[in-house]
Amino acid sequence: NAGVMQNPRHLVRRRGQEARLRCSPMKGHSHVYWYRQLPEEGLKFMVYLQKENIIDESGMPKERFSAEFPKEGPSILRIQQVVRGDSAAYFCASSPRLPATNEKLFFGSGTQLSVL
Amino acid sequence: TQLLEQSPQFLSIQEGENLTVYCNSSSVFSSLQWYRQEPGEGPVLLVTVVTGGEVKKLKRLTFQFGDARKDSSLHITAAQPGDTGLYLCAGAASGTYKYIFGTGTRLKVLA
Repeated sequence: NAGVMQNPRHLVRRRGQEARLRCSPMKGHSHVYWYRQLPEEGLKFMVYLQKENIIDESGMPKERFSAEFPKEGPSILRIQQVVRGDSAAYFCASSPRLPATNEKLFFGSGTQLSVL
Repeated sequence: TQLLEQSPQFLSIQEGENLTVYCNSSSVFSSLQWYRQEPGEGPVLLVTVVTGGEVKKLKRLTFQFGDARKDSSLHITAAQPGDTGLYLCAGAASGTYKYIFGTGTRLKVLA
């Protein structure tokens, strides 16, 4: 039973390019979270999605960032016109049910985005 | 805005020593989780505490949830180099569907 798969593990982009980060949740999981982590810091919530729906995107910048979780295929975090400040590790987590007491998040290994 | 603050931010100790990490908030959480993250990897869940005053033990790790469910602590007995990592507390913010994470405690255990 494969865990949460993120790809690519490392992504290098020049300023102004687009970055696409992919996350395949664990089998049977229909809830996906995206987090961003800067060096020496904790995880910052970005967005929470269910299949075909964005439930909470309060942590995601309004401009240049978007996320989707289609009926088929992985969840995608898309960053347009990247800037150096977007350089960070982006983690995806999945869970089988709505957040609730004792609900566990399963994390992927992350995508390290470097913007030159 | 619900925040989880952890202390200390950094901790470097010798093998065999004991340590305690704290996770504090001004808000009430229905539950709190503790995760451990190693370099280049995602966080891995260690434990979930649910009931105010609850104490859970996981080998040399002891987790406690405050009576008012606003704070939690992680105590490690006889730390080992394998305990080195980033320790994160997390909770589901009330009224929302998002898990928020604490600021993290980076632990280094020297052999």
